[in-house]
Amino acid sequence: GAGVSQSPRYKVAKRGQDVALRCDPISGHVSLFWYQQALGQGPEFLTYFQNEAQLDKSGLPSDRFFAERPEGSVSTLKIQRTQQEDSAVYLCASSLRRDAYEQYFGPGTRLTVT
Amino acid sequence: GQQLNQSPQSMFIQEGEDVSMNCTSSSIFNTWLWYKQEPGEGPVLLIALYKAGELTSNGRLTAQFGITRKDSFLNISASIPSDVGIYFCAGRNVLQGAQKLVFGQGTRLTINP
Repeated sequence: GAGVSQSPRYKVAKRGQDVALRCDPISGHVSLFWYQQALGQGPEFLTYFQNEAQLDKSGLPSDRFFAERPEGSVSTLKIQRTQQEDSAVYLCASSLRRDAYEQYFGPGTRLTVT
Repeated sequence: GQQLNQSPQSMFIQEGEDVSMNCTSSSIFNTWLWYKQEPGEGPVLLIALYKAGELTSNGRLTAQFGITRKDSFLNISASIPSDVGIYFCAGRNVLQGAQKLVFGQGTRLTINP
């Protein structure tokens, strides 16, 4: 079946612009995660949804970052007033159940802030 | 943020050689996962480990969950060119109520044909 999809795959933004990154999880997956991956590093957790509820947003680096999953399926990560340090790959992952251990990742969105 | 200590950072080997890499943490985890990432793609799950001492294989890949629950190992036997990529360990401690994964810095594997 279809895996996790993300769009756009690449985004170039000028500093100060707002961006919105989309994630379509695997159909039926309850849990959805966003991670940020800087160049040469492992992914770092940003936020977690169980269905439409955002249960953990402890990894969001500032109040410029906002995520939503209004209907418990598609999720959007929004970054306001982008800064150069926001340049990274943003990865979305989903898992089948609340207590499922395996997370399946999408291809990511590479954000470059100029 | 918190990350696991993964070593080595990079490996340059000949095709056919065996590969070993490991991951250590100062915290206890009750789940260890190993992922492989290729350029321009997201991490792909290779092996999941759920119990201390568990040894699990997936083809030429074998991973172990350390007895102390603070480490894990991944071995690749008889490497082939398609094994090239970056391997990440990831840990999870659901007992602390955390669903998130904590990742290592990755081991970059390069294979000389």
